Amino acid sequence: EPEVTQTPSHQVTQMGQEVILRCVPISNHLYFYWYRQILGQKVEFLVSFYNNEISEKSEIFDDQFSVERPDGSNFTLKIRSTKLEDSAMYFCASSVRTYGYTFGSGTRLTVV
Amino acid sequence: AQSVTQPDIHITVSEGASLELRCNYSYGATPYLFWYVQSPGQGLQLLLKYFSGDTLVQGIKGFEAEFKRSQSSFNLRKPSVHWSDAAEYFCAVGVTNFGNEKLTFGTGTRLTIIP
Repeated sequence: EPEVTQTPSHQVTQMGQEVILRCVPISNHLYFYWYRQILGQKVEFLVSFYNNEISEKSEIFDDQFSVERPDGSNFTLKIRSTKLEDSAMYFCASSVRTYGYTFGSGTRLTVV
Repeated sequence: AQSVTQPDIHITVSEGASLELRCNYSYGATPYLFWYVQSPGQGLQLLLKYFSGDTLVQGIKGFEAEFKRSQSSFNLRKPSVHWSDAAEYFCAVGVTNFGNEKLTFGTGTRLTIIP
């Protein structure tokens, strides 16, 4: 069964550093998403991406965040200057219509 | 705005016993409803979904859920749990906005199975 692959599985970074989380969506999917889950809290929508542009973003997704699909296969989430409160599990997902989501296994980001 | 409430943070059930996980949603239109399961270190796996039609939905691993519009509920059930069902369970509502399909999750229910 096709999978969404996320790397790394765990990343530790110092506060103020830039971090890039990587995802390889399923090849024939058209919609791409990032969600995050702070420890002990609910999974929250960050951003959706379609046709090479952001289609919706949450209020969490401020100027420190950006997404990119640099080469037609990878989908990345960049955090420019990490804060302690960015520590969370970040899930990538890709989808076909309707709500045919497949989630990756997540990247645990720890900001120290 | 849409929201999902899972009132039970943690449930413990004996292996072989029946299970019901509660989910209530708030959404102005006909909802798309989902149950996902997350095992430790794993991603979110779809158990089942409701879009329309029959209000009793069958999913994978022997799970089912019933949509009750009058109660704004979408409770998940299983007649007999197995030790491998121990995981975190998330209810979610889907909102479509100009073709963009966004999921809003509940806070999750952690299921522990005792022998």
